[in-house]
Amino acid sequence: EVQLVESGGGLIQPGGSLRLSCAASALTVSSNHMTWVRQAPGKGLEWVSVIYKGGNTQYADSAQGRFSISRDASKNTLYLQMNSLRAQDTAVYYCARGFYSMDVWGQGTTVTVSS
Amino acid sequence: QSALTQPPSASGSRGQSVTMTCTGTSSDVGGYNYVSWYQQHPGKAPKLMVYEVTKRPSGVPDRFSGSKSGNTASLTVSGLQAEDEADYYCSSYAGSNTVLFGGGTKLTV
Repeated sequence: EVQLVESGGGLIQPGGSLRLSCAASALTVSSNHMTWVRQAPGKGLEWVSVIYKGGNTQYADSAQGRFSISRDASKNTLYLQMNSLRAQDTAVYYCARGFYSMDVWGQGTTVTVSS
Repeated sequence: QSALTQPPSASGSRGQSVTMTCTGTSSDVGGYNYVSWYQQHPGKAPKLMVYEVTKRPSGVPDRFSGSKSGNTASLTVSGLQAEDEADYYCSSYAGSNTVLFGGGTKLTV
């Protein structure tokens, strides 16, 4: 069964850093475009970042300069390094396969930025 | 870039049809055939229902259909069932390697 499992979320103080992981099963991360999407409490979905199967990356304006997407082929895992976190980054973070459309989603990991 | 515009709510009775809209600009919805629709039940991850404006992934009932006219995309759900009650989000490629989502429509059956 194709599956994505996120981890690494938690409570972090403003200005802190966190690295999210997304472990894939029956899906090769490095052979797919992989995306991070977040959802603030009670709000809609927001595209955050993509890493193309070729390795190029792109970020939403809200993430540019603070977040970094990467992958480890040997671990078949996608990552999102988040620095200089703000209260507005509080959300459930989902990893997903695809870019133009996302057909496989993880269950999400919750990031709460608060003092 | 602003989020795509979706009405906050829609409703219909069981067996009826309902159409939800997603309005963007010529730089996103109107400029590319990369509109997708996602269904999200409370506390669950989104599920892809339609991609590339009109295509349905395997396993999605044909009661769900997508279309586009100009800068507005639409998702029609026919033969409404209780389990269709959920939040629906549209997304579109917006150029410059970015994607925009709509604010979501809460469908009540």
